[in-house]
Amino acid sequence: EVQLLESGGGLVQPGGSLRLSCAASGFTFNNYALTWVRQAPGKGLEWVSSISASGGTTYYASSVKGRFTISRDNPKNTLYLQMNGLRAEDTAVYYCTRIHSNPSLPHFDYWGQGTLVPVSS
Amino acid sequence: EIVLTQSPGTLSLSPGERATLSCRASQIISSSYLAWYQQKPGQAPRLLIFGASSRATGVPDTFSGSGSGTDFTLTISRLEPEDFAVYHCQYFGTTLWTFGQGTKVEIK
Repeated sequence: EVQLLESGGGLVQPGGSLRLSCAASGFTFNNYALTWVRQAPGKGLEWVSSISASGGTTYYASSVKGRFTISRDNPKNTLYLQMNGLRAEDTAVYYCTRIHSNPSLPHFDYWGQGTLVPVSS
Repeated sequence: EIVLTQSPGTLSLSPGERATLSCRASQIISSSYLAWYQQKPGQAPRLLIFGASSRATGVPDTFSGSGSGTDFTLTISRLEPEDFAVYHCQYFGTTLWTFGQGTKVEIK
């Protein structure tokens, strides 16, 4: 059974940093690209960042580029999101998702349960 | 940049009724890159439809997706109590992943 389990969320002050982790199991981790998606309270879904299966290629939404860094440790089956320079507008539940392996039919086939990151003084 | 607009914002229906949700793209998009997700309160989204019309594993056949070009539709043929939720459409394009703002299907 595919499982994605996020951790590392919690209250952080504006300007602060936080690192989120996503522990994966139930599939061959290094065969899949992965993504972070966030959802502000009462709002819709927003794509944040993606990373290729090897970790060699990364992508970022313009709203987080230069502040957030996505990475992965394939031997440890873990995805990370390092968040620096946090702002109030970064307050959201952050979800780890798996990108379906067929590049002709891109979509997120599995999601973690999410971790909440409130940014407030 | 492609924008996805979902309508209506809220759909109030009774169990057993048919629900028709719209997702309109600001430009013509490939149907292969259009997906739908269901999200219940306090839960993570769940994949329903990919490639505009293919149901994900375990999704009941009361859910169907259709459309092409700029207009896409998610239809729930007969609403069950567990189908009342928020539905999001998503597109993969040159600016990577884009979501619509969501449609809430609530009990009338």
